[in-house]
Amino acid sequence: EAGVVQSPRYKIIEKKQPVAFWCNPISGHNTLYWYRQNLGQGPELLIRYENEEAVDDSQLPKDRFSAERLKGVDSTLKIQPAELGDSAVYLCASRLTALVEQFFGPGTRLTVL
Amino acid sequence: GQQVMQIPQYQHVQEGEDFTTYCNSSTTLSNIQWYKQRPGGHPVFLIQLVKSGEVKKQKRLTFQFGEAKKNSSLHITATQTTDVGTYFCAGPGVGTNAGKSTFGDGTTLTVKP
Repeated sequence: EAGVVQSPRYKIIEKKQPVAFWCNPISGHNTLYWYRQNLGQGPELLIRYENEEAVDDSQLPKDRFSAERLKGVDSTLKIQPAELGDSAVYLCASRLTALVEQFFGPGTRLTVL
Repeated sequence: GQQVMQIPQYQHVQEGEDFTTYCNSSTTLSNIQWYKQRPGGHPVFLIQLVKSGEVKKQKRLTFQFGEAKKNSSLHITATQTTDVGTYFCAGPGVGTNAGKSTFGDGTTLTVKP
């Protein structure tokens, strides 16, 4: 069974540029998460979807971050414009709503110069 | 909001020594989860504890949930080099945010062969 797929794996951009990350969750997983992980810290939730509905986006900086999960499967996370402080690893995770275990993707390492 | 704190931040042991990491919450937790993240990797779910005073074992790993459900610990007996990584605890959200996980900042274990 394929795991959570994320792309790109690495992205280097200059500040003020836009960037987008893509996530394909495990088939059948209704719940999808986007996390940001800074070096030496635990993952910080940005947004959680139940199917196509964003049920928790309280930690998403809405002035520059946006996310969507059309059709309740794949999801994209966008930053526009990127700032230096956005450099981090962006992790996508999914799970079956009825179960606890979250499955994480490999992440996208973003470097903003 | 709820936070989980982990100690120590770093632990360096000789192979064969034991290792323990602690997770503390300011509020009562309905459950707690533990994840392991290898260097350069992504978090992988280890276990969930739900009951007060619960103890679960996975080979050399022993997980405990405190009687008051405000703290938890992970103990590794006779560490091996394969145990290297960062161990995170994660607590759930409350109410409508029950599906949210709040991660601690982890304990990074290094093992000297």
